[in-house]
Amino acid sequence: AQSVTQLDSQVPVFEEAPVELRCNYSSSVSVYLFWYVQYPNQGLQLLLKYLSGSTLVKGINGFEAEFNKSQTSFHLRKPSVHISDTAEYFCAVSVSNTGKLIFGQGTTLQVKP
Amino acid sequence: SQTIHQWPATLVQPVGSPLSLECTVEGTSNPNLYWYRQAAGRGLQLLFYSVGIGQISSEVPQNLSASRPQDRQFILSSKKLLLSDSGFYLCAWSVRRGRETQYFGPGTRLLVL
Repeated sequence: AQSVTQLDSQVPVFEEAPVELRCNYSSSVSVYLFWYVQYPNQGLQLLLKYLSGSTLVKGINGFEAEFNKSQTSFHLRKPSVHISDTAEYFCAVSVSNTGKLIFGQGTTLQVKP
Repeated sequence: SQTIHQWPATLVQPVGSPLSLECTVEGTSNPNLYWYRQAAGRGLQLLFYSVGIGQISSEVPQNLSASRPQDRQFILSSKKLLLSDSGFYLCAWSVRRGRETQYFGPGTRLLVL
């Protein structure tokens, strides 16, 4: 069975510092990987996705993620965070032709001034 | 461009009352549609998905049901709400090809008292 693990439930960081949000997945077949962001009381917004090709994926708001097949990881990074990046971040994997996504439990990014 | 609507935005209902949440998608045809629930401080749980009119797959046995009376309309219902039904309900759509990006609506906050 496929699963997604987000290793940190909360990540506090100071403004302008770099950040990495960790995501590991488990799957015996090829996967598509996604990162979504959720601001308070809103729906989820797609940050970036990996379908195939280059393992380094760039997304919106200066975020990027690297797909590492040997480590089954898809960590999200940003070199310098802003207060406005404070939100919940979800990693997800799509493994079937139904389009269903399996989500991690989420990581709360708290950017402090 | 495609847009997804959910209403109501917020709902407070007594235990035992019925529920109807609506989701509509504009700007696309034959989408896959999904209902998720997000309990406070937790990840997303897929409740139902649909690949066509009248075709509903349930992921978790529970007090809720879903219907798809039209191609771009997805309804989440309950005959009698439970306290445990409280949460944030999100609708999403994706193209029919499978393993594609899901796009989320703004969500409905449901509080059952």
